[in-house]
Amino acid sequence: AQKITQTQPGMFVQEKEAVTLDCTYDTSDPSYGLFWYKQPSSGEMIFLIYQGSYDQQNATEGRYSLNFQKARKSANLVISASQLGDSAMYFCAMREGDGNNRLAFGKGNQVVVIP
Amino acid sequence: EAGVVQSPRYKIIEKKQPVAFWCNPISGHNTLYWYLQNLGQGPELLIRYENEEAVDDSQLPKDRFSAERLKGVDSTLKIQPAELGDSAVYLCASSLEGVDTQYFGPGTRLTVL
Repeated sequence: AQKITQTQPGMFVQEKEAVTLDCTYDTSDPSYGLFWYKQPSSGEMIFLIYQGSYDQQNATEGRYSLNFQKARKSANLVISASQLGDSAMYFCAMREGDGNNRLAFGKGNQVVVIP
Repeated sequence: EAGVVQSPRYKIIEKKQPVAFWCNPISGHNTLYWYLQNLGQGPELLIRYENEEAVDDSQLPKDRFSAERLKGVDSTLKIQPAELGDSAVYLCASSLEGVDTQYFGPGTRLTVL
């Protein structure tokens, strides 16, 4: 079974608008971590934001925020005030359990920001 | 602070040839990971090192893939012999002990002809 599901088709976003990228996950472990990475065409995976399963508040990092809905097993990424440089693939990933640093990645969401 | 360094960035070889990729993690990061990323997919873990010990290599195809991290710092991933299906991006990542976040290098794009 897939651990991380990202099913949105490629998205076009107007510059300065917000965009939400969907991510659902599957785990029975009470302790886990959720990550979002950005991969521009250059290929490097850039860490954006992290949410722990026990964190009470939704994580935020600058223009990035994570809409964490534990009961729905959902960890959507919100990018506010989109910029042209936000055009990239975005990957959601999960680490299950403690002391196990293996990340399971989704297939990614393509975002293109248009002026 | 320098990020994860990988070389080469691109490699084109013929099938059945050997190939090696090198990775230097962020200074002080004791955990090092090698991932494989096929086109249109997310990365998949091949092997994880804690210092010089391979603690998770269950996904490494050991018939043709090998890796080493002799002094607990930089690492080499080798494929011998390469097959057409090995064409992919090989990503290296590192993290601090006890910290979840992994930081990735730019990857090596391998093309096997």
